[in-house]
Amino acid sequence: QVQLVQSGAEVKKPGASVNVSCKTSGYIFTNNYMHWVRQAPGQGLEWMGIINPSGGGTSYEQKFQGRVTMTRDMSTSTIYMELSSLRSDDTAVYYCVRVGVSSSWYNWGQGTLVTVSS
Amino acid sequence: EIVLTQSPGTLSLSPGERATLSCRASQSVSSNYLAWFQQKPGQAPRLLIYGASSRATGIPDRVSGSGSGTDFTLTISRLETEDFAVYYCQQYGSSPYTFGQGTKLEIK
Repeated sequence: QVQLVQSGAEVKKPGASVNVSCKTSGYIFTNNYMHWVRQAPGQGLEWMGIINPSGGGTSYEQKFQGRVTMTRDMSTSTIYMELSSLRSDDTAVYYCVRVGVSSSWYNWGQGTLVTVSS
Repeated sequence: EIVLTQSPGTLSLSPGERATLSCRASQSVSSNYLAWFQQKPGQAPRLLIYGASSRATGIPDRVSGSGSGTDFTLTISRLETEDFAVYYCQQYGSSPYTFGQGTKLEIK
């Protein structure tokens, strides 16, 4: 079955960068676009961007332009999300999401908590 | 950007009752690409409905979605204890993809 397994929790200082991974299995990696979404503590869901694992093309939410980079490693069927110049309000759980049937957001990773604190 | 407004913010009901959750979009949702997610504390969101009215795999038929254009509804008939959670609507028809602020369904 489809599995999305994310890397573990991170604690970072303001101004640092974080790199979150999402290892996929159970399907053909290049067949499905992937999104990144985040959720601050007690808050709602916020879309960050999308990556096409086939060609590597990306599109980012304007709010994150210049600070986020999404990449993929086809040899390990893994996608990555790097967020730089971290601030305290970047503290959130970050999710990877696989696009499924009829463009729906079908499968979600378990989430990675990133805490930004001095 | 399409803004999604969910109502009510909190819904207090008893098991066995019917829940009706609303999601209104600031402009028409392309291709009715409107989804509903359920989220429980400490868990990732779970897809319930996509394309406004199609149930995701494994979702019981007491959960249904309806609507088109700018007005959408999630209905859960005969609430069970497992249904009490936060529900989000989402539009994925046009970028940036956006979510509603959520409706908390709590036990009365």
